[in-house]
Amino acid sequence: QVQLQESGPGLVKPSETLSLTCTVSGGSISGYYWSWIRQPPGKGLQWIGYIYYSGSTNYNPSLKSRVTISVDTSKNQFSLKLSSVTAADTAVYYCARDGSITGYYGMDVWGQGTTVTVSS
Amino acid sequence: EIVLTQSPATLSLSPGERATLSCRASHSVSIYLAWYQQKPGQAPRLLIYDASNRATGIPARFSGSGSGTDFTLTISSLEPEDFAVYYCQQRSNWPPWTFGQGTKVEIK
Repeated sequence: QVQLQESGPGLVKPSETLSLTCTVSGGSISGYYWSWIRQPPGKGLQWIGYIYYSGSTNYNPSLKSRVTISVDTSKNQFSLKLSSVTAADTAVYYCARDGSITGYYGMDVWGQGTTVTVSS
Repeated sequence: EIVLTQSPATLSLSPGERATLSCRASHSVSIYLAWYQQKPGQAPRLLIYDASNRATGIPARFSGSGSGTDFTLTISSLEPEDFAVYYCQQRSNWPPWTFGQGTKVEIK
Protein backbone atom coordinates (compact mmCIF):
# COMPACT_ATOMS: atom_id res chain seq x y z
CA GLN A 1 0.00 0.00 0.00
CA VAL A 2 1.02 3.62 -0.44
CA GLN A 3 3.20 5.02 2.32
CA LEU A 4 4.51 8.54 2.90
CA GLN A 5 7.66 9.55 4.75
CA GLU A 6 8.63 13.10 5.68
CA SER A 7 12.29 14.04 5.98
CA GLY A 8 14.29 17.16 6.72
CA PRO A 9 16.02 19.10 9.50
CA GLY A 10 14.36 19.00 12.91
CA LEU A 11 15.82 22.35 13.93
CA VAL A 12 15.70 25.58 11.92
CA LYS A 13 16.97 29.01 12.98
CA PRO A 14 14.64 32.02 13.03
CA SER A 15 14.47 33.92 9.72
CA GLU A 16 15.82 30.90 7.80
CA THR A 17 13.96 28.57 5.42
CA LEU A 18 12.34 25.34 6.53
CA SER A 19 12.72 22.58 3.91
CA LEU A 20 10.96 19.22 4.04
CA THR A 21 10.54 16.38 1.57
CA CYS A 22 7.81 13.74 1.42
CA THR A 23 8.71 10.47 -0.29
CA VAL A 24 5.90 8.37 -1.74
CA SER A 25 6.47 4.61 -1.73
CA GLY A 26 4.30 1.68 -2.76
CA GLY A 27 2.57 3.69 -5.46
CA SER A 28 2.96 6.50 -7.96
CA ILE A 29 2.81 10.19 -7.25
CA SER A 30 1.13 10.67 -10.62
CA GLY A 31 -2.58 11.32 -10.80
CA TYR A 32 -2.92 12.64 -7.28
CA TYR A 33 -2.98 15.81 -5.22
CA TRP A 34 -0.57 16.00 -2.30
CA SER A 35 -0.92 18.25 0.74
CA TRP A 36 1.19 19.55 3.59
CA ILE A 37 -0.49 20.03 6.98
CA ARG A 38 1.04 21.16 10.26
CA GLN A 39 0.14 20.93 13.94
CA PRO A 40 1.74 23.22 16.55
CA PRO A 41 2.39 21.58 19.92
CA GLY A 42 -0.88 20.90 21.73
CA LYS A 43 -2.95 22.57 19.02
CA GLY A 44 -5.09 21.70 16.01
CA LEU A 45 -4.36 21.08 12.35
CA GLN A 46 -3.57 23.71 9.72
CA TRP A 47 -3.57 23.01 6.00
CA ILE A 48 -0.52 24.59 4.33
CA GLY A 49 -1.15 23.84 0.67
CA TYR A 50 -1.29 21.19 -2.02
CA ILE A 51 0.37 20.31 -5.28
CA TYR A 52 -0.92 18.25 -8.17
CA TYR A 53 1.58 15.82 -9.68
CA SER A 54 1.70 18.03 -12.78
CA GLY A 55 2.97 20.91 -10.65
CA SER A 56 -0.09 23.11 -10.12
CA THR A 57 -0.37 24.40 -6.57
CA ASN A 58 -2.73 26.03 -4.12
CA TYR A 59 -1.65 27.58 -0.85
CA ASN A 60 -3.24 28.74 2.36
CA PRO A 61 -3.52 32.53 1.96
CA SER A 62 -2.22 33.02 5.49
CA LEU A 63 1.10 31.42 4.49
CA LYS A 64 1.14 32.05 0.74
CA SER A 65 3.85 34.71 0.75
CA ARG A 66 6.29 32.31 2.46
CA VAL A 67 5.37 28.89 1.03
CA THR A 68 6.59 26.98 -1.99
CA ILE A 69 5.55 23.40 -2.72
CA SER A 70 7.24 21.53 -5.55
CA VAL A 71 7.18 18.02 -7.01
CA ASP A 72 9.79 15.69 -8.48
CA THR A 73 7.94 12.87 -10.24
CA SER A 74 11.18 11.11 -11.17
CA LYS A 75 11.92 10.63 -7.47
CA ASN A 76 8.29 10.18 -6.41
CA GLN A 77 8.72 13.08 -4.00
CA PHE A 78 7.20 16.44 -3.23
CA SER A 79 8.67 19.17 -1.07
CA LEU A 80 7.80 22.09 1.16
CA LYS A 81 9.76 25.29 1.66
CA LEU A 82 8.67 27.83 4.24
CA SER A 83 10.75 30.98 4.38
CA SER A 84 11.42 33.53 7.13
CA VAL A 85 10.39 31.15 9.89
CA THR A 86 9.64 32.21 13.45
CA ALA A 87 8.87 30.32 16.64
CA ALA A 88 5.23 30.26 15.54
CA ASP A 89 6.22 27.83 12.76
CA THR A 90 7.30 25.22 15.30
CA ALA A 91 5.06 22.24 14.64
CA VAL A 92 4.72 18.66 13.52
CA TYR A 93 4.59 18.73 9.74
CA TYR A 94 2.60 16.07 7.90
CA CYS A 95 2.33 15.20 4.23
CA ALA A 96 -0.83 13.53 2.95
CA ARG A 97 -2.45 12.27 -0.25
CA ASP A 98 -5.35 14.58 -0.96
CA GLY A 99 -7.49 13.23 -3.77
CA SER A 100 -7.09 12.55 -7.44
CA ILE A 101 -8.37 13.96 -10.70
CA THR A 102 -10.72 11.00 -11.01
CA GLY A 103 -12.26 11.26 -7.56
CA TYR A 104 -11.90 12.54 -4.05
CA TYR A 105 -11.65 10.19 -1.12
CA GLY A 106 -10.33 12.50 1.61
CA MET A 107 -6.79 12.86 2.90
CA ASP A 108 -6.55 9.09 2.97
CA VAL A 109 -2.82 8.47 3.38
CA TRP A 110 -0.64 10.37 5.83
CA GLY A 111 3.02 10.37 6.72
CA GLN A 112 3.98 9.81 10.35
CA GLY A 113 4.89 13.46 10.73
CA THR A 114 8.16 15.21 11.45
CA THR A 115 8.77 17.70 14.26
CA VAL A 116 10.35 20.99 13.28
CA THR A 117 11.51 23.38 15.97
CA VAL A 118 12.41 26.97 15.18
CA SER A 119 15.04 28.15 17.61
CA SER A 120 18.44 29.81 17.62
CA GLU B 1 -12.06 31.46 4.98
CA ILE B 2 -14.63 28.97 6.21
CA VAL B 3 -14.54 28.46 9.97
CA LEU B 4 -15.51 25.09 11.41
CA THR B 5 -16.74 24.98 15.00
CA GLN B 6 -16.79 21.61 16.73
CA SER B 7 -18.83 20.79 19.81
CA PRO B 8 -18.48 19.77 22.48
CA ALA B 9 -14.80 20.39 23.12
CA THR B 10 -14.69 17.29 25.31
CA LEU B 11 -17.04 14.34 25.48
CA SER B 12 -16.79 12.04 28.51
CA LEU B 13 -18.34 8.66 27.86
CA SER B 14 -17.99 5.01 28.81
CA PRO B 15 -17.19 2.12 26.47
CA GLY B 16 -20.36 0.89 24.81
CA GLU B 17 -22.01 4.29 24.85
CA ARG B 18 -23.01 6.27 21.77
CA ALA B 19 -20.94 9.33 20.84
CA THR B 20 -22.37 12.23 18.85
CA LEU B 21 -19.94 14.90 17.64
CA SER B 22 -20.99 18.09 15.90
CA CYS B 23 -19.26 20.28 13.32
CA ARG B 24 -20.79 23.56 12.15
CA ALA B 25 -19.46 25.55 9.18
CA SER B 26 -19.58 29.35 8.90
CA HIS B 27 -20.73 29.01 5.28
CA SER B 28 -22.14 26.12 3.31
CA VAL B 29 -19.60 23.49 2.31
CA SER B 30 -22.20 21.31 0.54
CA ILE B 31 -21.18 17.74 1.38
CA TYR B 32 -17.44 18.43 1.24
CA LEU B 33 -16.64 17.57 4.83
CA ALA B 34 -14.37 14.89 6.25
CA TRP B 35 -13.74 13.50 9.72
CA TYR B 36 -10.39 12.37 11.12
CA GLN B 37 -9.35 10.56 14.29
CA GLN B 38 -6.04 11.37 15.97
CA LYS B 39 -4.42 9.52 18.85
CA PRO B 40 -1.48 10.93 20.84
CA GLY B 41 1.77 10.86 18.89
CA GLN B 42 0.07 9.62 15.73
CA ALA B 43 -0.94 11.15 12.42
CA PRO B 44 -4.63 11.78 11.79
CA ARG B 45 -6.59 8.89 10.29
CA LEU B 46 -9.37 9.46 7.77
CA LEU B 47 -12.74 8.14 8.94
CA ILE B 48 -15.37 9.79 6.74
CA TYR B 49 -15.19 11.79 3.50
CA ASP B 50 -17.86 13.76 1.67
CA ALA B 51 -19.98 13.89 4.83
CA SER B 52 -21.14 10.28 4.92
CA ASN B 53 -18.74 7.97 3.09
CA ARG B 54 -16.68 5.68 5.29
CA ALA B 55 -13.03 5.43 4.30
CA THR B 56 -11.50 2.08 3.48
CA GLY B 57 -11.22 -0.18 6.51
CA ILE B 58 -13.25 2.01 8.85
CA PRO B 59 -15.66 0.04 11.05
CA ALA B 60 -19.38 0.42 10.52
CA ARG B 61 -19.85 1.88 14.01
CA PHE B 62 -18.56 5.17 12.58
CA SER B 63 -21.10 7.12 10.55
CA GLY B 64 -21.34 10.66 9.24
CA SER B 65 -24.29 12.80 8.24
CA GLY B 66 -25.20 16.33 7.28
CA SER B 67 -24.86 18.83 4.49
CA GLY B 68 -24.55 22.56 4.08
CA THR B 69 -23.41 23.91 7.44
CA ASP B 70 -24.29 21.21 9.99
CA PHE B 71 -22.58 17.85 10.25
CA THR B 72 -22.49 15.00 12.73
CA LEU B 73 -20.10 12.14 13.39
CA THR B 74 -21.68 9.27 15.31
CA ILE B 75 -19.89 6.38 16.95
CA SER B 76 -22.66 3.91 17.70
CA SER B 77 -20.94 2.00 20.49
CA LEU B 78 -17.57 3.17 21.77
CA GLU B 79 -14.72 0.70 21.75
CA PRO B 80 -11.64 1.28 23.96
CA GLU B 81 -9.59 2.23 20.90
CA ASP B 82 -12.05 5.00 19.93
CA PHE B 83 -10.99 7.35 22.72
CA ALA B 84 -9.10 10.02 20.80
CA VAL B 85 -9.42 13.51 19.31
CA TYR B 86 -11.69 13.95 16.29
CA TYR B 87 -11.36 16.72 13.70
CA CYS B 88 -13.67 17.79 10.93
CA GLN B 89 -12.21 19.31 7.74
CA GLN B 90 -13.83 21.07 4.79
CA ARG B 91 -12.82 21.29 1.16
CA SER B 92 -15.26 23.77 -0.29
CA ASN B 93 -14.85 25.25 -3.72
CA TRP B 94 -11.98 27.52 -2.85
CA PRO B 95 -9.00 26.89 -0.56
CA PRO B 96 -7.93 27.14 2.15
CA TRP B 97 -9.11 23.82 3.40
CA THR B 98 -9.76 24.28 7.11
CA PHE B 99 -10.08 22.05 10.15
CA GLY B 100 -12.23 22.34 13.24
CA GLN B 101 -10.52 22.77 16.59
CA GLY B 102 -11.22 19.16 17.57
CA THR B 103 -13.39 17.20 19.99
CA LYS B 104 -11.70 14.99 22.55
CA VAL B 105 -13.58 11.81 23.39
CA GLU B 106 -12.36 10.67 26.80
CA ILE B 107 -13.17 7.78 29.08
CA LYS B 108 -15.67 8.68 31.79
